Amino acid sequence: GAGVSQSPSNKVTEKGKDVELRCDPISGHTALYWYRQSLGQGLEFLIYFQGNSAPDKSGLPSDRFSAERTGGSVSTLTIQRTQQEDSAVYLCASSLMGGDQPQHFGDGTRLSIL
Amino acid sequence: AQSVSQHNHHVILSEAASLELGCNYSYGGTVNLFWYVQYPGQHLQLLLKYFSGDPLVKGIKGFEAEFIKSKFSFNLRKPSVQWSDTAEYFCAAPSSGTYKYIFGTGTRLKVLA
Repeated sequence: GAGVSQSPSNKVTEKGKDVELRCDPISGHTALYWYRQSLGQGLEFLIYFQGNSAPDKSGLPSDRFSAERTGGSVSTLTIQRTQQEDSAVYLCASSLMGGDQPQHFGDGTRLSIL
Repeated sequence: AQSVSQHNHHVILSEAASLELGCNYSYGGTVNLFWYVQYPGQHLQLLLKYFSGDPLVKGIKGFEAEFIKSKFSFNLRKPSVQWSDTAEYFCAAPSSGTYKYIFGTGTRLKVLA
């Protein structure tokens, strides 16, 4: 079946521009997660959605980062006024609800800020 | 604070060597533990998981992990590695009472042919 789909797969943009990253989760998965993976840093939790609401936004690094999810499905992560330190791979994962449910990851969006 | 720790950051082994990657978690209560693997150029995928029952869990590709409650550990093992096991391995657990996952910093395994 279809897995988690992320777009674009690569994004190169100039410092100061806004970017929007998209995640299409597995159908029926009510939980959706965004992570950031930087070289040598492991996975950094950003935000998770339970349906359309985000109970935990504690991982968003600054107010330049925001995310939304509509229709309990597609989610977008927006970074405003990008900085070079935002360069990383942004990963999306989805799962059924429950702490014992494994997360299914997309291929990620590699973001490069010039 | 709850945490998941992986102490081996880089491991290099020859084919047929045995593998053990350490993972320690910092909290008690109900524990759900996972190992994920990321092969070069591929997305993260589940290797194995534990949430109750037999503390020795078997996963895909001959991997297994043992949950030792007294040591707060969930080490990943494989008796004989192959070149194709070259990948980065992450231990993870949901933060107690939430669905927020905590990942370890990962272990990069390189298997020499």
